[in-house]
Amino acid sequence: AQSVSQHNHHVILSEAASLELGCNYSYGGTVNLFWYVQYPGQHLQLLLKYFSGDPLVKGIKGFEAEFIKSKFSFNLRKPSVQWSDTAEYFCAVKDDYKLSFGAGTTVTVRA
Amino acid sequence: NAGVMQNPRHLVRRRGQEARLRCSPMKGHSHVYWYRQLPEEGLKFMVYLQKENIIDESGMPKERFSAEFPKEGPSILRIQQVVRGDSAAYFCASSPPVGPGNTIYFGEGSWLTVV
Repeated sequence: AQSVSQHNHHVILSEAASLELGCNYSYGGTVNLFWYVQYPGQHLQLLLKYFSGDPLVKGIKGFEAEFIKSKFSFNLRKPSVQWSDTAEYFCAVKDDYKLSFGAGTTVTVRA
Repeated sequence: NAGVMQNPRHLVRRRGQEARLRCSPMKGHSHVYWYRQLPEEGLKFMVYLQKENIIDESGMPKERFSAEFPKEGPSILRIQQVVRGDSAAYFCASSPPVGPGNTIYFGEGSWLTVV
């Protein structure tokens, strides 16, 4: 069975700072990897996904993630955050049909 | 093209009552998932259904919880005799027929409060 580990529970940043959220997974098969964002009181929105090909994936809102197979990692990055990036971020891995989520990282961006 | 539709968005139930949460998948999607998000926790898989079939219910509590996805109509997550610990956000998601490259799309969630 797959599992997903997110390293940081809560990250606090100032606007324009760079953001990197760690995600490691354990799964023996072919992985599909996702990052979702959940703004306060809202549903999950897909930020980006990796299925195959270029391990550097670009998503919406200026986010990107890099799949490093040897490290079983899929870290999320954004060079310069904005106050509106305050949200909870979830890494997820999908096997044939099921998404398994990490515990989430709460990101607070201070103006 | 409407997304995954869930209702009600907010539901308040007294202990011992029943809660029914409904989910209509995106058009063309025949697979439905239910996830639960408890306060301060991530999303936990509950059940995966296709039309008229439960494929994987490994995340469902053994008692009081049931799910269905009938041939016609929305998927229903039913919680009988609710307790305070059932208070959570319940998210439905849908996807096209199974494939590793398919994205799962989430609804806006149903927030259940048990008083």
